[in-house]
Amino acid sequence: SQTIHQWPATLVQPVGSPLSLECTVEGTSNPNLYWYRQAAGRGLQLLFYSVGIGQISSEVPQNLSASRPQDRQFILSSKKLLLSDSGFYLCAWGGGGYYSGNTIYFGEGSWLTVV
Amino acid sequence: DAKTTQPNSMESNEEEPVHLPCNHSTISGTDYIHWYRQLPSQGPEYVIHGLTSNVNNRMASLAIAEDRKSSTLILHRATLRDAAVYYCILGYSTLTFGKGTMLLVSP
Repeated sequence: SQTIHQWPATLVQPVGSPLSLECTVEGTSNPNLYWYRQAAGRGLQLLFYSVGIGQISSEVPQNLSASRPQDRQFILSSKKLLLSDSGFYLCAWGGGGYYSGNTIYFGEGSWLTVV
Repeated sequence: DAKTTQPNSMESNEEEPVHLPCNHSTISGTDYIHWYRQLPSQGPEYVIHGLTSNVNNRMASLAIAEDRKSSTLILHRATLRDAAVYYCILGYSTLTFGKGTMLLVSP
């Protein structure tokens, strides 16, 4: 069966520090991968998605970046965190290709507090 | 992505059926209708999805209007663990989550 792992689960970072969140998927190949963010009391915002190695689409301009160095690995990064980057970050995976019926499955999330 | 409209919140009593509505008047012919739910401090969880016909699974039922401009998620017997935010989404390559419906379940 497919599983998704995301870490770290919780982190507190000072403003201006770098960020690296990592996500890996097991049990499937060539998945679509996604990074979402949920700020306190707000809805889910799609940040990045990837349909293959090295292919990243950005949905929202910001100081975050994403990379996909391997088929089942997705990394969210920042060189300098802002207070507004605080939130609940979720990695997700879905079936490959552009198919409207694909469902996506979420990891357990990472709580980021920028202080 | 096509837009959906859901009530901000709904209330139900435990053991009673719950019908969560969703309007999607601009749905295209290739859009599937997806439902997810999110419990507090957790990532969203897939509930059900469908294209044209009604769908049933162990969690819920999805009733889709004949013109596909609306749908209803049906929880047959609500439990306290069903209290969550329910999202109705139309998606293609990506799924865009709106504000959803917060379902409150009372004992």
